[in-house]
Amino acid sequence: DAGITQSPRHKVTETGTPVTLRCHQTENHRYMYWYRQDPGHGLRLIHYSYGVKDTDKGEVSDGYSVSRSKTEDFLLTLESATSSQTSVYFCAISGDGLAGDTQYFGPGTRLTVL
Amino acid sequence: QKEVEQDPGPLSVPEGAIVSLNCTYSNSAFQYFMWYRQYSRKGPELLMYTYSSGNKEDGRFTAQVDKSSKYISLFIRDSQPSDSATYLCAMIDTGGFKTIFGAGTRLFVKA
Repeated sequence: DAGITQSPRHKVTETGTPVTLRCHQTENHRYMYWYRQDPGHGLRLIHYSYGVKDTDKGEVSDGYSVSRSKTEDFLLTLESATSSQTSVYFCAISGDGLAGDTQYFGPGTRLTVL
Repeated sequence: QKEVEQDPGPLSVPEGAIVSLNCTYSNSAFQYFMWYRQYSRKGPELLMYTYSSGNKEDGRFTAQVDKSSKYISLFIRDSQPSDSATYLCAMIDTGGFKTIFGAGTRLFVKA
C-alpha cells in the first residue's frame, strides 16, 4: 500500500461521540486525501491537503474536519458521529496533485456508528 | 444525475472469457480517465490511465475512451480468477485534480 498506514483499521462507536482517524505516510508526498466509500456511491472526497496546515473541502465535507501538522500525518475528525457516517474511509496520497498524478490508497478504516 | 455512471454488477464470467467493463459520464471537461482495481478489504490501486480519446493496452488489459459518446471501457482478455475484484472508473477534468469515481463494478471470474 505504497507506505500508507491507517489507524484504527476498525472502529465501532456510538452516535454523538467524537472520532479521529489517522493516516500516516512514509513517501513524503505533498497531497493527502480522505475519501469515504459507500455502496452505490463509489469513492467520494471528504477533504484534502496540499501541504502542512493547508487543507480544503471535498464534495462531502459536512460533519468532518481535518488537520495536518506534519507532512506525514493527516487526521480526519468526526466531531459528533452520526449513523450516516458509517462507512469505509480511505486515505490517499499523491505527489503533486496534478491531473493524471497517481493516487495511492491506504488499506482503509471500517467505521460503524451505532 | 451522477457525473459518472457505472453498473455495479455483479458480473460473473468463466475463466478465459473476455470481460467488458464500462462507464458513462456527463461532464465533457473530463480529459483524464483511469481504472482502479480494488480487492476485497483493500484500498484501490491504479490499473490503467489514459488521456483524452483512444485506446491503451497493457498486457491483458485494454482501456478505451470515446469522448464523443462520453463512454469509457476496460477490456480484460483471458480473464483469470485472480481478476476477481471491484473495478472503479475515475475521471479528472482539465485544470482540476479532484478525481470523480464511479460506483465500481464487482467482477467474479469462476475457475
